[in-house]
Order: sequence, then structure tokens, then C-alpha cells
Amino acid sequence: AAGVIQSPRHLIKEKRETATLKCYPIPRHDTVYWYQQGPGQDPQFLISFYEKMQSDKGSIPDRFSAQQFSDYHSELNMSSLELGDSALYFCASSPTRDRVSEQYFGPGTRLTVT
Amino acid sequence: ILNVEQSPQSLHVQEGDSTNFTCSFPSSNFYALHWYRWETAKSPEALFVMTLNGDEKKKGRISATLNTKEGYSYLYIKGSQPEDSATYLCAFKAAGNKLTFGGGTRVLVKP
Repeated sequence: AAGVIQSPRHLIKEKRETATLKCYPIPRHDTVYWYQQGPGQDPQFLISFYEKMQSDKGSIPDRFSAQQFSDYHSELNMSSLELGDSALYFCASSPTRDRVSEQYFGPGTRLTVT
Repeated sequence: ILNVEQSPQSLHVQEGDSTNFTCSFPSSNFYALHWYRWETAKSPEALFVMTLNGDEKKKGRISATLNTKEGYSYLYIKGSQPEDSATYLCAFKAAGNKLTFGGGTRVLVKP
């Protein structure tokens, strides 16, 4: 079965550079979520989209922005990268945004900022 | 800030033994409680989504119960096997989309 695809899987950037992470949800899933997991930390919710509109916002820094496109894939844009942005970034998708809907996680993108 | 706590943080279990661990969450504005299993180098895998007080769900040897009035959920593993070794995450959903994760319980099943 198709799963959530994230690209790239690994990314190394320098401080103050920009990065774009991509997420391709499972076909027919209309809701996408982004999470950040720092070293030794719990996953933290960043932002979610439903039907191409932002539906919920968590602890996403102002330097980050995200959007969902007409094909439902999503991109997380990160600017002025800081060392503390080094983390594993997960994307998840769900078929609907109702409360019983499971979230299916992608493999993550590991971002290292040097 | 929502407080979701899991205990214990880690657990060593002998193969064949049964075990359980706890997730506690706010008892107000409850919407759903998710359980995920997370193996090293893999992405979290959904186990259960629980919404009703008193819910009990089962998947193979793993089951979970939910008490929304007192704000806790138990996950049980019956007859633990080495392949059950993973981190088990619970996540609380209030109204809206975001999940607030607990710190996880890392389970290591020893042969």
C-alpha cells in the first residue's frame, strides 16, 4: 500500500540558509500534518492543512511557512536556519480531519544545520 | 499547554511476560486519544484511536483501555515478544487537528 512520502530524507544546511521539505500524502488523504522532533524530545506539532487551507497551528516559528498544493502535497519552507532547527521532521496524512482518523506518518526528513 | 505524560519511561520485559503502561492526559476538552508504536529508524505506526470513555480496543496481543473522566489510558501487551520492542507513544487530541504527544514508553523485550 502507498505510504506517506517525504523528501529529501536527509538534508544538511548551514546557518542562515533556507530549506524546503516536501511531503506527499497517501492518495485520497486530504489532511496533512507536520511535526518536529528535536534530539531526545517528543514530537512537536507544527502545522496542519485540510483541503489546501491551514487548519491548525502549533509551535511553528515565524521563520517557517508551509502550504498544501492542489495535488495535496505539502511543503515546509524554513528560512534563516538556526542550529536549533536540527531535528527530524515528520509529515503525516489522514483521510479526513475527524477525530477518529488515524494519522499515517512518513519516514521523516532529518535536517542537520551546521 | 497540554500535559500528556507516559509512565514508565522505559520498561524491560522478559519474553512471554505481559506488561502494561500508562498515558495520562487532560480530562477536559477531550476529543480523542491515539496510541502509536514507534520502532527505531521507522516512522510511528498507528495502533489505536480511542474516543469514548470505557473504550477498549485490541490488535493481536496489544490492547488499550480509556478513561476520559480521570484522564488516563492503559496499553497492555500480552505475552511479550522481541518484536514488540519499540517506543509506544500516546497522543491527546483536543478539538482541532493537532496531537499532543506524551514522552513515550520505551519497551525492550528480552529473549
